[in-house]
Amino acid sequence: AQSVTQPDARVTVSEGASLQLRCKYSSSVTPYLFWYVQYPRQGLQLLLKYYSGDPVVQGVNGFEAEFSKSNSSFHLRKASVHWSDSAVYFCAVSYRGSALGRLHFGAGTQLIVIP
Amino acid sequence: AQTIHQWPVAEIKAVGSPLSLGCTIKGKSSPNLYWYWQATGGTLQQLFYSITVGQVESVVQLNLSASRPKDDQFILSTEKLLLSHSGFYLCAWTTNSDYTFGSGTRLLVI
Repeated sequence: AQSVTQPDARVTVSEGASLQLRCKYSSSVTPYLFWYVQYPRQGLQLLLKYYSGDPVVQGVNGFEAEFSKSNSSFHLRKASVHWSDSAVYFCAVSYRGSALGRLHFGAGTQLIVIP
Repeated sequence: AQTIHQWPVAEIKAVGSPLSLGCTIKGKSSPNLYWYWQATGGTLQQLFYSITVGQVESVVQLNLSASRPKDDQFILSTEKLLLSHSGFYLCAWTTNSDYTFGSGTRLLVI
């Protein structure tokens, strides 16, 4: 069975500090990988995605993520966070050839940035 | 440009009352459409998907139903709401593997 694990329910960092949000997936094949952000009372916005190629992908607002096949991970990073980055971040996967196009989401990580 | 519109933005409904949530896609023909649900403080679960008009598949049973009466429209409904239906409902469409989500409908059942 496929699953997505975000081990940290909440992460608190100071403004200007670096950030890493962890995501691990479990499947026998490499999926498509996504990071979404959800600001309070809003829908989901795509930060970045990985399909293939360079394992480090750049996203919006200075976010990047690194895919590791050996670790089955897709961690999200940012060099210097801003208070406006406070939100809930979801890692998600979908599978090649899936006619359902189903996204499997992790439980989410709430990021709190202290000014 | 493609747009996705969900309505209403928010609802407060009584237990046992009916519900209808809507989603309209503009600028994309024959999209794959999805309904996702997020319990308060929880993750997102796919509820339904549809690849063509009149065809809807259920993924998770929550005493809800969905219909696709037009190519660009996806409706989520129930005749009797439960307290457990409270949460955030998101419509999404895909092309290839890119997903676009609507802004969601927040539902509170009391």
